[in-house]
Amino acid sequence: DQQVKQNSPSLSVQEGRISILNCDYTNSMFDYFLWYKKYPAEGPTFLISISSIKDKNEDGRFTVFLNKSAKHLSLHIVPSQPGDSAVYFCAAGGGQGNLIFGKGTKLSVKP
Amino acid sequence: SQTIHQWPATLVQPVGSPLSLECTVEGTSNPNLYWYRQAAGRGLQLLFYSVGIGQISSEVPQNLSASRPQDRQFILSSKKLLLSDSGFYLCAWRKENYGYTFGSGTRLTVV
Repeated sequence: DQQVKQNSPSLSVQEGRISILNCDYTNSMFDYFLWYKKYPAEGPTFLISISSIKDKNEDGRFTVFLNKSAKHLSLHIVPSQPGDSAVYFCAAGGGQGNLIFGKGTKLSVKP
Repeated sequence: SQTIHQWPATLVQPVGSPLSLECTVEGTSNPNLYWYRQAAGRGLQLLFYSVGIGQISSEVPQNLSASRPQDRQFILSSKKLLLSDSGFYLCAWRKENYGYTFGSGTRLTVV
């Protein structure tokens, strides 16, 4: 049973436009959420996080939105750049602190 | 500053051979340590985590084992590799806050 779901395995966006990556979760006990970015043959790197007491967190071109009632979060990248092309993992945690990751969404930003 | 080292970067091993992947952390003490695997078409799967020397928790039954002989050393092992053990293995550490820091990963191909 997947507790964290990224239903879109891939997303293609034109450079300069907005990229929206979505993530759904089932466990209402999760109290923090993170997004990681991963290039091929490299380890994931931390991108942005949000705690359950907030509904929005912004860092430069990256904004994460949290809708607790819908158990949904999204990552917005504006404007998208070719260097943003990577696999993006949504992760959720709480309690013991171990993160549960989604399967990832491969973002391709076309020049 | 904290760093995490993981080696080797790539490994090709025959079926039935043993495995030893090593991960070390510098610049911190008593971190939580994690082994994740990213298999083809799947997300990041937590394999083992450790909250202290000699303390190992396994998340999934498998052909692998982990050990933590020193505070900042985490080892992933197998006595006999299977084809299904192929994947990208990631070590991570976490302390105090909820963010994880990942190593650069090991690409394991079992042939």
